[in-house]
Amino acid sequence: ETGVTQTPRHLVMGMTNKKSLKCEQHLGHNAMYWYKQSAKKPLELMFVYNFKEQTENNSVPSRFSPECPNSSHLFLHLHTLQPEDSALYLCASSQDGLSNNEQFFGPGTRLTVL
Amino acid sequence: AQSVSQHNHHVILSEAASLELGCNYSYGGTVNLFWYVQYPGQHLQLLLKYFSGDPLVKGIKGFEAEFIKSKFSFNLRKPSVQWSDTAEYFCAASNDYKLSFGAGTTVTVRA
Repeated sequence: ETGVTQTPRHLVMGMTNKKSLKCEQHLGHNAMYWYKQSAKKPLELMFVYNFKEQTENNSVPSRFSPECPNSSHLFLHLHTLQPEDSALYLCASSQDGLSNNEQFFGPGTRLTVL
Repeated sequence: AQSVSQHNHHVILSEAASLELGCNYSYGGTVNLFWYVQYPGQHLQLLLKYFSGDPLVKGIKGFEAEFIKSKFSFNLRKPSVQWSDTAEYFCAASNDYKLSFGAGTTVTVRA
């Protein structure tokens, strides 16, 4: 049991669709993260939320819009995506935003943009 | 820019062979180092981590890693691999709240 759940696990969408990815952590953590994992490339940090406040936007295009309503939930709203956005999107959480905290990862959402 | 590089893209070895995966980072100053593993069909999970103290760190499942500051390296080792060690291994480093990952090394252990 990872403690971090993500839904859906797989998503296929057209370029004009609007969809949302959901992440929930059951660990009592205060920091949550979105990463993008593309084949043969390092994980790319997209967004960081610490105590519900966004502390990092790693130059992510505006077609990705995060939302963190509370410390347990994190959403990634998707709109007018491009085929190159197809990837595995991982959510993670940690006790807080300190660098020595282990991050716990969810299973990811495999996104395909047609 | 901060970066993490992993030397091997894909490693294939037989059971009972020894494993060493290379990792170098480009951070200056204090750095926290991690190795994560992703087994087939499973989520990323922490193998071991180094913050300070003894540069030889022991993790789960018989893995260990050595921090060599002068070489900016944090190589992962296991003396004798098992088939169940087949997975993708990621080195990561951080000196603030941002964790930078290497591209990963796929390890295939043949029975």
